[in-house]
Amino acid sequence: KNEVEQSPQNLTAQEGEFITINCSYSVGISALHWLQQHPGGGIVSLFMLSSGKKKHGRLIATINIQEKHSSLHITASHPRDSAVYICAVQNIQGAQKLVFGQGTRLTINP
Amino acid sequence: KAGVTQTPRYLIKTRGQQVTLSCSPISGHRSVSWYQQTPGQGLQFLFEYFSETQRNKGNFPGRFSGRQFSNSRSEMNVSTLELGDSALYLCASSLLGGESAEQYFGPGTRLTVT
Repeated sequence: KNEVEQSPQNLTAQEGEFITINCSYSVGISALHWLQQHPGGGIVSLFMLSSGKKKHGRLIATINIQEKHSSLHITASHPRDSAVYICAVQNIQGAQKLVFGQGTRLTINP
Repeated sequence: KAGVTQTPRYLIKTRGQQVTLSCSPISGHRSVSWYQQTPGQGLQFLFEYFSETQRNKGNFPGRFSGRQFSNSRSEMNVSTLELGDSALYLCASSLLGGESAEQYFGPGTRLTVT
């Protein structure tokens, strides 16, 4: 079993829909990252969180440390949100070492 | 402030050759991490450098090595290339490294081994 599991693996939705991507992990962590990767490969860090909730524009990330679970929400989704979203965790002993989920491929249709 | 830069962006090599990839972190950042992304294995951690010292290493064979210079620029080297080394190699920098440090990713170097 992978240390970091994401669901769903693929998600297709219509513009304007509310999107939720889930991430579960099995190790103790110091932080959890949500990353966005567009075709072409570039990765952008969306959030880094170790507790609670963070919001940036239409994106919201939450984490429940006790349940070892995090969610990424996108409100009022737009075709430009189409990308692969990746959850990654920093192990408590791992310093900068990130362990990645397999990614969720999101497609937003106009 | 300029972002993380990686050179070259694309590279084609032949099996058995060796390759060196370069990463220039954001100015002032002292930690550089390297990652490999393949369709089969996804993203995997290679190693992290901080103040010219390797601080962490992932589960990769000794053919994969790296170093960091006094200006925090980093290079990674892969010797005796194999077809399976074809991948997107990403580097990321952070200010001080350590736990809970935000990382900024470069655009990656896409290596194709034929």
